[in-house]
Amino acid sequence: EAQVTQNPRYLITVTGKKLTVTCSQNMNHEYMSWYRQDPGLGLRQIYYSMNVEVTDKGDVPEGYKVSRKEKRNFPLILESPSPNQTSLYFCASSQSQGIFTHFGPGTRLTVT
Amino acid sequence: GQQLNQSPQSMFIQEGEDVSMNCTSSSIFNTWLWYKQEPGEGPVLLIALYKAGELTSNGRLTAQFGITRKDSFLNISASIPSDVGIYFCAGLTYSGGGADGLTFGKGTHLIIQP
Repeated sequence: EAQVTQNPRYLITVTGKKLTVTCSQNMNHEYMSWYRQDPGLGLRQIYYSMNVEVTDKGDVPEGYKVSRKEKRNFPLILESPSPNQTSLYFCASSQSQGIFTHFGPGTRLTVT
Repeated sequence: GQQLNQSPQSMFIQEGEDVSMNCTSSSIFNTWLWYKQEPGEGPVLLIALYKAGELTSNGRLTAQFGITRKDSFLNISASIPSDVGIYFCAGLTYSGGGADGLTFGKGTHLIIQP
């Protein structure tokens, strides 16, 4: 089954404790992206990747890092999480640039 | 940055009714997309529109790419309980370096009353 998987699905952590949210897709898609979803603000792009070792900032990249060492994986790294990064995070992938056809199930992150 | 105004914010309808929602912007977009999100899940792509004036259907869903390229509409005919969810529009532009990021509307929350 074609899918994007994310782990963990839920995470509660404390300010400053480094964390990584993993994302993996099994469709050999070139393009991958991370979004955050907040009430009243909709979905906003954090980072995206056009292929292995090629990444670029989205609209809200501050406080996040990404890497794309393999085509299937696109982890999101929060080096020093802060409460304003409490949000619902989605990973997405596609074969066509910009038109994200597959989204993961989401990771709900709470930073206290 | 670009903004999309999606309306209505929420809709309370009876099963069997038709539904209309729209997205407008002051900016021109090259591609319009419509997604549906159900509780606890990620958005699912419903329809993609690539040309001004294009009308595309997916089952009971029909979407149109506005002639001005600044708006798009989604209609759902004869709604059923499984249509419940949040519907998002998204617009995409292309510049010299390729596709710019997707801009999402804030969503229309569809609620079907029994």
